[in-house]
Amino acid sequence: GAGVSQSPSNKVTEKGKDVELRCDPISGHTALYWYRQSLGQGLEFLIYFQGNSAPDKSGLPSDRFSAERTGGSVSTLTIQRTQQEDSAVYLCASSSGRRAGELFFGEGSRLTVL
Amino acid sequence: RKEVEQDPGPFNVPEGATVAFNCTYSNSASQSFFWYRQDCRKEPKLLMSVYSSGNEDGRFTAQLNRASQYISLLIRDSKLSDSATYLCVVNPRYSGGGADGLTFGKGTHLIIQP
Repeated sequence: GAGVSQSPSNKVTEKGKDVELRCDPISGHTALYWYRQSLGQGLEFLIYFQGNSAPDKSGLPSDRFSAERTGGSVSTLTIQRTQQEDSAVYLCASSSGRRAGELFFGEGSRLTVL
Repeated sequence: RKEVEQDPGPFNVPEGATVAFNCTYSNSASQSFFWYRQDCRKEPKLLMSVYSSGNEDGRFTAQLNRASQYISLLIRDSKLSDSATYLCVVNPRYSGGGADGLTFGKGTHLIIQP
């Protein structure tokens, strides 16, 4: 498709398990972002990739969170030893940079940690 | 003071009415401003950029007041389909706010009633 694709759309896991969330950005977009949104809350920045530059990891809440972007395209967000407070919608966005502030978001991955 | 603040609402407005809400930002050096729209359980989408001179897009008007450090969004002749959460997004000059400096407000919830 033409938009940002995320998978899985829903993930239920048990506390302590590891999860991987995948993001396929719009083709040609050099910037990729991960945010998370808890129920009724705003977007919390997690990590940002821009081309071949070192990623901005300043938003990752703990060392249990990591992300990779392979070949400048697909990105995977990994959460190790999940906790209940990790439950949220994880949103991926990409940008071409041609229009400042225009991010295209995927539909998100809803994570529930039991 | 939070970086970007919005009245969470909800704003309950009858169809056809005009509604306006503001967003304040703390960093006086902020350079670019945007309004995003997020429908219930959907991803955010860019609604409009906010230019220094103010700008209009159909029924929507965005204004920037640098002296008082706020931006506003005015919706005229509101439609039922305008019901959504409106996110204010500010790009400060520094990167502490996250990727590209983009900082999202928590949003204002708008409900248009028939």
